[in-house]
This record gives sequence, C-alpha cells and structure tokens, in this order.
Amino acid sequence: LAKTTQPISMDSYEGQEVNITCSHNNIATNDYITWYQQFPSQGPRFIIQGYKTKVTNEVASLFIPADRKSSTLSLPRVSLSDTAVYYCLVGDDGVYNNNDMRFGAGTRLTVKP
Amino acid sequence: DADVTQTPRNRITKTGKRIMLECSQTKGHDRMYWYRQDPGLGLQLIYYSFDVKDINKGEISDGYSVSRQAQAKFSLSLESAIPNQTALYFCATSSAGEGTGELFFGEGSRLTVL
Repeated sequence: LAKTTQPISMDSYEGQEVNITCSHNNIATNDYITWYQQFPSQGPRFIIQGYKTKVTNEVASLFIPADRKSSTLSLPRVSLSDTAVYYCLVGDDGVYNNNDMRFGAGTRLTVKP
Repeated sequence: DADVTQTPRNRITKTGKRIMLECSQTKGHDRMYWYRQDPGLGLQLIYYSFDVKDINKGEISDGYSVSRQAQAKFSLSLESAIPNQTALYFCATSSAGEGTGELFFGEGSRLTVL
C-alpha cells in the first residue's frame, strides 16, 4: 500500500512560487514527512523535513495541516536550476526500509524561462 | 573527496558475468543502503544494513547479494548479471538517532549488461 501520492509532473516559469502537494492519508503518529530533490544522474539530496505545522529553511518551506494527511512543499521564486524530481517520503525518522521512507516516482518539476 | 564513494562509476559487462559494486563512506554512519534506479523511475531499495552484523532484503533483492565488510564498506554483487539489471545504482548512508535521519548518496554507478 503506497504511503504517499504526489503529482507525476508539474510545469512552472522562472520567478514563480511552486507548490507540490503530497497525500499521505495513512500517516502514523511517529512518522515524519521528508522531501528530497534529485537532478539527472545524481543521487537525491535532502531538502526539508517536518512533523507538523510549518518548517522553513533557506531552500524551501513545508506546510503540514493539523490532520497531517497531506503536506505541501513550497519553492519560492524558482529558477531553471530547480528543474528536478521531488520526492515526498513518510516514515520513522531515519528508518529507510520496505515500509518506511520509500521513494515513489516523485514529481518531475520543469521550470521554463 | 566525497563522503560516500562508489566504484566503479561506469561498467559495461556481459550477461552471466559476476559484478561487484563497492561503496565506502567517511561519515561514520551505521546505516547503509543500496538503491537501483531505472530511467524515468524512482529509487527501489535492494538491500540495507543498520550495522555491521545486520543485513536486510529490500523490495527488489532477487538476483543481488551484499556484504558489509566494515562499518564504512558495503558492497553489492550481481552473481550472474542479466540485461534487465541495467540501471543506475546508488549507495547511501544515514545516521541513527541524530538529526533528521537524512540520507547521503554516492555519485552512482551506471551498470550496463549486454
């Protein structure tokens, strides 16, 4: 049973704010929500992680509603270099296995000039 | 130097050959992983290890084996390579009980089986 659902692809233009939503209806009490970014032929890299409410760092913001059944990754003022695949993972902090923190197909974001 | 190093970076081999992909890390992490990525798809977990004496099968372990030679080394073997194992392979590490549990990836090993 997939733990997360996110759009397959999104298009945006330079300078716009991009919001990618991930659904995780069966999130458990101990689960965190983590987002990774992957450029072609490179390994994914960590962007942001949260448990509830809002988390912000120098790269992105993560919005998590009170019921935690979804989350939204927000990328402010995207540039062409933000074109990548974005993965939403849900699970126990630091535990990557067959049940937790699984990489699905991700969302392929294309930023156009 | 990279914290997670994979060798070889590229390998072309023939069906039936034995192949080993090696991973070493200088991050001091206990947890190590091998992932496979096919073109246009996400990452699939092959094997993972939470410490030197711990080996676990991932979602696609058939046709693969691993060895955790030391805390810093985790190798992936294809005993008899077949063409559908052509893919990009990533090694990753994470720390237990510290911070966000972030995964740190190597640069990838591109394997082509003819």
